[in-house]
Amino acid sequence: EAEVAQSPRYKITEKSQAVAFWCDPISGHATLYWYRQILGQGPELLVQFQDESVVDDSQLPKDRFSAERLKGVDSTLKIQPAELGDSAMYLCASSLVAGGKLFFGSGTQLSVL
Amino acid sequence: DQQVKQNSPSLSVQEGRISILNCDYTNSMFDYFLWYKKYPAEGPTFLISISSIKDKNEDGRFTVFLNKSAKHLSLHIVPSQPGDSAVYFCAASGRRGADGLTFGKGTHLIIQP
Repeated sequence: EAEVAQSPRYKITEKSQAVAFWCDPISGHATLYWYRQILGQGPELLVQFQDESVVDDSQLPKDRFSAERLKGVDSTLKIQPAELGDSAMYLCASSLVAGGKLFFGSGTQLSVL
Repeated sequence: DQQVKQNSPSLSVQEGRISILNCDYTNSMFDYFLWYKKYPAEGPTFLISISSIKDKNEDGRFTVFLNKSAKHLSLHIVPSQPGDSAVYFCAASGRRGADGLTFGKGTHLIIQP
């Protein structure tokens, strides 16, 4: 069964450093999402792409976070500089169309020291 | 302001009995509701969904009920099995799912032998 691939699985960094996460959605899925999940909370939408275009980034802290999906396939989420409060699980999801069932990757667990 | 609320952080149920997980929402624009299941260190996996035009959807041991007037939905698992032990997230979306999902905080279901 096709899966959403994410890397790395774990990332430890010091505050003020830059970090980047990568996501490869299921082949053919036009819609891609980045979510952040803090321990004890539900996933929170950071950004939604339709092909290479950003559909919703209203919850993305744009002073330090950036996301791109240049060719409408894989995507990168970057944090620069990282802060202690950024420690969380970063989840990527994709769906065939907007409004379709979301398939999640295994996530990247970020720890900022 | 939490738009999707799961007020029970945890629930313990005996194997073979019925598990009932509850979810309330406040946004009347939500018209598509989903339940996801999450094991530790994995991404959420889709379980079952329901559109606002229905009040019940069934898939094997899982049934979701929607009460639009009360802005309440519930997930029934019958019979409960040990492998059902996980965190269950309720999620909602507007525009028939075209908007990104808004998640609740989750309920940790523990199935006891």
